[in-house]
Amino acid sequence: GAGVSQTPSNKVTEKGKYVELRCDPISGHTALYWYRQSLGQGPEFLIYFQGTGAADDSGLPNDRFFAVRPEGSVSTLKIQRTERGDSAVYLCASSSGGSLNTQYFGPGTRLTVL
Amino acid sequence: KNEVEQSPQNLTAQEGEFITINCSYSVGISALHWLQQHPGGGIVSLFMLSSGKKKHGRLIATINIQEKHSSLHITASHPRDSAVYICAAGGADGLTFGKGTHLIIQP
Repeated sequence: GAGVSQTPSNKVTEKGKYVELRCDPISGHTALYWYRQSLGQGPEFLIYFQGTGAADDSGLPNDRFFAVRPEGSVSTLKIQRTERGDSAVYLCASSSGGSLNTQYFGPGTRLTVL
Repeated sequence: KNEVEQSPQNLTAQEGEFITINCSYSVGISALHWLQQHPGGGIVSLFMLSSGKKKHGRLIATINIQEKHSSLHITASHPRDSAVYICAAGGADGLTFGKGTHLIIQP
């Protein structure tokens, strides 16, 4: 089976625009995580879904960021009114559930806000 | 919030050397993850451990729960081991990551 996929792989946008980043987790994985990695830094947690619901969204930096997972599979991370500081690699990971399960990472989406 | 510290930040070694990367965390966890990230590449999970020691090929990971410390060892290092190694502390939800150790193995 396929691993975690993310689209697009690269996204360049202008300051103030709206972007959507998509994550397709491994089939059957109930847990889905979004992380953000800035250049030279380790990833930082954004939001965690268990099924369709956001179990923890405490890592979202502000209300411009929003994520959904309406059917418990594919997830979309949405960023409104993008700012240059949003430029980073956005990583998605999925697991079969629970903190004792290995997380499988996607290749990431590199977002550049000009 | 968990604080995860890794050392060293950068490490350059010769092929064949034994490598150790250290990780400490501040709050009790359910599992400690070691991840590998190649330049321009995605993240690969190497180990997830909650106690003791795990071995996979030339890689060994250990954890001391009481001391809140983990180590990743690479035996007989090879240039293809060059990558960023990241430790991450797993709690009830997502992971808290260290900043990574940039490892370069020279031939």
